[in-house]
Amino acid sequence: QQQVKQSPQSLIVQKGGISIINCAYENTAFDYFPWYQQFPGKGPALLIAIRPDVSEKKEGRFTISFNKSAKQFSLHIMDSQPGDSATYFCAASITSSASKIIFGSGTRLSIRP
Amino acid sequence: DVKVTQSSRYLVKRTGEKVFLECVQDMDHENMFWYRQDPGLGLRLIYFSYDVKMKEKGDIPEGYSVSREKKERFSLILESASTNQTSMYLCASRLGQGNTEAFFGQGTRLTVV
Repeated sequence: QQQVKQSPQSLIVQKGGISIINCAYENTAFDYFPWYQQFPGKGPALLIAIRPDVSEKKEGRFTISFNKSAKQFSLHIMDSQPGDSATYFCAASITSSASKIIFGSGTRLSIRP
Repeated sequence: DVKVTQSSRYLVKRTGEKVFLECVQDMDHENMFWYRQDPGLGLRLIYFSYDVKMKEKGDIPEGYSVSREKKERFSLILESASTNQTSMYLCASRLGQGNTEAFFGQGTRLTVV
């Protein structure tokens, strides 16, 4: 049972454009929503995360938008750069000591120079 | 810096062999995870451990078992390797709270022939 659905599976964006990746979740108990970035040959690394008590979080060129009523959240990459080319995973978990992390299926992002 | 170390980057095993994948973390994290990564399927949770000798099944535990005898070490065991277990295996660790960053190892590319 896939509890976090991610789209698109792949995305090509011109340099300087905006990259948008969307995720939807089912379990309303989730209260922590991180995004991970993975470069080829490396493990994923935390990029940015949000809690459902805010609707937006921005760190540099990366912004998470959160819609609690729709159970959706998205990652926006402004002024996309070739160095942003990577696979991005959204995830969800519950703030408890024995909580699993559930990941989306990933988006392979390519930024064209 | 947190370091999660997986014992092998690449592994080739024969069908029917018993395979051990080892993971060690150096930050005294309570939670440890094993995921497999396949194209288009994202990161699927195999097993999760929230404390020494404690484990929970993830979404795809069939054909796998785990061992956590010490806090820093989490082992994934393929009891009888099969070709459909050819995949990238990723280990992660995290403090014992669901809203903290997970740190990943670099992965083990396992090929079963």
